[in-house]
Amino acid sequence: DAKTTQPPSMDCAEGRAANLPCNHSTISGNEYVYWYRQIHSQGPQYIIHGLKNNETNEMASLIITEDRKSSTLILPHATLRDTAVYYCIVKSSSGSARQLTFGSGTQLTVLP
Amino acid sequence: DSGVTQTPKHLITATGQRVTLRCSPRSGDLSVYWYQQSLDQGLQFLIQYYNGEERAKGNILERFSAQQFPDLHSELNLSSLELGDSALYFCASSTGGGTGELFFGEGSRLTVL
Repeated sequence: DAKTTQPPSMDCAEGRAANLPCNHSTISGNEYVYWYRQIHSQGPQYIIHGLKNNETNEMASLIITEDRKSSTLILPHATLRDTAVYYCIVKSSSGSARQLTFGSGTQLTVLP
Repeated sequence: DSGVTQTPKHLITATGQRVTLRCSPRSGDLSVYWYQQSLDQGLQFLIQYYNGEERAKGNILERFSAQQFPDLHSELNLSSLELGDSALYFCASSTGGGTGELFFGEGSRLTVL
């Protein structure tokens, strides 16, 4: 599976949009981009995933560039409860979920 | 609430001892995964079961073992515990197949003294 690169940390003001970038320049055509987050010492939580089209759900939006080499997770109105480590993961469509590799992620801190 | 239940939430024990961690997956999920998260190593995949059978092994020590029972709950057994085994242990479940959508429990925090 392709590796991902994320900034180690980011800050965001409460109520503003949080835009978390992820680089996955070696992504293959059958690989999905997944986002998870982990609030301190809690179990990771699935957020969203996509292949090439932009995706939106009740938690976030996922914007994938046309060449698929990078993506951005958008939390439209960040709250203090969104403070967490956010993981961007690439996984092939045929691979098992055990192939999800949780790297270091981005520590997002939402400031009051 | 992910629907995945883990017990106990906290466990303190001594070196050399043996403990068992329990996981109940979401209703209908056939796959169970165990992960270890220590301060210096991030989230590490240990082992996966699917419908009662071992499907894959990751970085699981020989002192550790797991099983999935007919009712689909799973247990992770840790024996001859060492100080370095102190960590958060997470269980996750999924429907199986190629989905990357995992549902994690709240974890069991093991402290070995």
